Amino acid sequence: DGGITQSPKYLFRKEGQNVTLSCEQNLNHDAMYWYRQDPGQGLRLIYYSQIVNDFQKGDIAEGYSVSREKKESFPLTVTSAQKNPTAFYLCASSITGGETQYFGPGTRLLVL
Amino acid sequence: GQQVMQIPQYQHVQEGEDFTTYCNSSTTLSNIQWYKQRPGGHPVFLIQLVKSGEVKKQKRLTFQFGEAKKNSSLHITATQTTDVGTYFCAARQLTFGSGTQLTVLP
Repeated sequence: DGGITQSPKYLFRKEGQNVTLSCEQNLNHDAMYWYRQDPGQGLRLIYYSQIVNDFQKGDIAEGYSVSREKKESFPLTVTSAQKNPTAFYLCASSITGGETQYFGPGTRLLVL
Repeated sequence: GQQVMQIPQYQHVQEGEDFTTYCNSSTTLSNIQWYKQRPGGHPVFLIQLVKSGEVKKQKRLTFQFGEAKKNSSLHITATQTTDVGTYFCAARQLTFGSGTQLTVLP
């Protein structure tokens, strides 16, 4: 963590609603990432951004959207099109793409 | 996309026993990173290996990168209860292994 924050820690939403997860870093890192983790499983890449105003889809981008208007911020929106949104969402950043990643504390999203 | 296979998925050991987790890739990796995630926490970077055949040690942890740069291992000597967690390898191409969940029984 150390300089990368995610809020809130827990988030509850009703099915059919869009929800935006916050990720902020003050490490002056160029690259930022969003991962999804399901119980007992590894990390799956949703989106990543190597520079402001640019981002690429990861392995499971369907039903998600992102923006990178500022270097420090990389919010993730979980849309109603995401079939199974309940999961642990982790944001990370690195100095450049592909280097050591520093993770935020994560947001646990529960969709009822 | 590139896949990194990690085994075993789960490992239960008695405190004091050794533990090893392995990562294998079908393609050559430019580097490999290892992370540890404590129960309920987030992944924390442990180490990065870059060179073919590289071996690095951190106290009781030994990390190896294969000669062909297609596999890597993490070995923990004399496990302690503080070693509990899930260990992930990650390839430069943003691909994480599925992790090995380590349980240490006192």
